[in-house]
Amino acid sequence: AQSVAQPEDQVNVAEGNPLTVKCTYSVSGNPYLFWYVQYPNRGLQFLLKYITGDNLVKGSYGFEAEFNKSQTSFHLKKPSALVSDSALYFCAVSRYYGGSQGNLIFGKGTKLSVKP
Amino acid sequence: SQTIHQWPATLVQPVGSPLSLECTVEGTSNPNLYWYRQAAGRGLQLLFYSIGIGQISSEVPQNLSASRPQDRQFILSSKKLLLSDSGFYLCAWSGGSTQYFGPGTRLTVL
Repeated sequence: AQSVAQPEDQVNVAEGNPLTVKCTYSVSGNPYLFWYVQYPNRGLQFLLKYITGDNLVKGSYGFEAEFNKSQTSFHLKKPSALVSDSALYFCAVSRYYGGSQGNLIFGKGTKLSVKP
Repeated sequence: SQTIHQWPATLVQPVGSPLSLECTVEGTSNPNLYWYRQAAGRGLQLLFYSIGIGQISSEVPQNLSASRPQDRQFILSSKKLLLSDSGFYLCAWSGGSTQYFGPGTRLTVL
């Protein structure tokens, strides 16, 4: 069965410091990995995805994520956090198997709080 | 470019009343469409998905139903709302590997 774990309910970072939001996954076959951000009372916004190729993926708003197959992780990172990055972040996985993509499985979300 | 709309944005309904939430997508054809519910807290629960007109798959048995009367229209319905139906309902579409979400509908059942 597919699953996604976001081990931290909340991450606190000072503005200007690097941030990391952790995600590990379990899926059979080739994983498709995604990060989304949600601001209060809004829908989810797509940040970035890994399908294949370079393990380091760059996305919107200066975010990037590194796919690590041996550790089954896909951590979200940003070199310098902004107060406006404060939001709820979701990791999601689907598997590509038999020529088609399965539905997304979401983690429970990590609340990022960036203090000035 | 593609856009996705949901309405209403907020809704307060009494227990036992019917429900109809609408989602429409512009700028694409034959999208996959999805309904999710986000309960208080965080987690997203996939309720229904559709790969074409009239083709609906249900992920969770409940008193909700979905319909896709047109290619880019997805409707979530209930005949009688329960208190436990309260939550934030999100519609999404995909044309490839990525899902894109609408702004959501906040439903409160009293």
